[in-house]
Amino acid sequence: DQQVKQNSPSLSVQEGRISILNCDYTNSMFDYFLWYKKYPAEGPTFLISISSIKDKNEDGRFTVFLNKSAKHLSLHIVPSQPGDSAVYFCAAQVGYGGATNKLIFGTGTLLAVQP
Amino acid sequence: KAGVTQTPRYLIKTRGQQVTLSCSPISGHRSVSWYQQTPGQGLQFLFEYFSETQRNKGNFPGRFSGRQFSNSRSEMNVSTLELGDSALYLCASSSEFSTTDTQYFGPGTRLTVL
Repeated sequence: DQQVKQNSPSLSVQEGRISILNCDYTNSMFDYFLWYKKYPAEGPTFLISISSIKDKNEDGRFTVFLNKSAKHLSLHIVPSQPGDSAVYFCAAQVGYGGATNKLIFGTGTLLAVQP
Repeated sequence: KAGVTQTPRYLIKTRGQQVTLSCSPISGHRSVSWYQQTPGQGLQFLFEYFSETQRNKGNFPGRFSGRQFSNSRSEMNVSTLELGDSALYLCASSSEFSTTDTQYFGPGTRLTVL
C-alpha cells in the first residue's frame, strides 16, 4: 500500500517558469512532510519541509504548500533553473522532534528544466 | 563537517551469498537509518538505529539486519541474497538536537545480485 504517492513520473518546464510538483498521501497520522532532490549516483538532498500545523513554508525559490483536508502537498520552484533538473521525492513521517526518523517516500518525479 | 559516507560504493554478489554494508554518519549524529531504493518500489525504509538500539523497523524479511556501534557507525547485513535484493542501499543520519529532523543521506551502495 503506497501511503505517499507522486502520480507524475516526470515533468518538463522551461527555464524561468514555475515548476509544480505534487504529492498525495493517505495516512492522516503523518504530521511532518519533506521534499528531497536526488541527482544520479548521489544520495537524496534535503530541500524543504513543513509540519502539519502550517500550510505553507518558503525557502528562497522553493515553497511547499500543505492541504491537510485534501491530504495533498505541492512543491513550487520559481523561477526554475536548469540546475534544478533532478528527481524530486516527497516524504512523510509520523512523529516529530527527534522521536522517529522513519520516512515514507513517494516514488519520485523527474523534473527536466529546459534552457 | 564531513558528510555521510558509505562503503563500498559498488558490490556484485551471487544468489545465496551474504553481504555487509557500512555507514559512517556525520560526526555527532546518533541516529542512522537505512533505505532501499529500487526502480519499482522507490525508496523504502529498512530500519533506524539510535544509540546502538533499533528504534524503528520497516517491512522487510529477517534476512535484512543491522547494528550500530558505540561510535554511531552502522552496518547492515543481508543474508541469503536474492535477485530482488539488487538495489541502491542508502544510509541517512540525523541529530536528535535538530528541530527539523533533517536526515542527511550518503551516496549509497549499489548492490547487484547475479
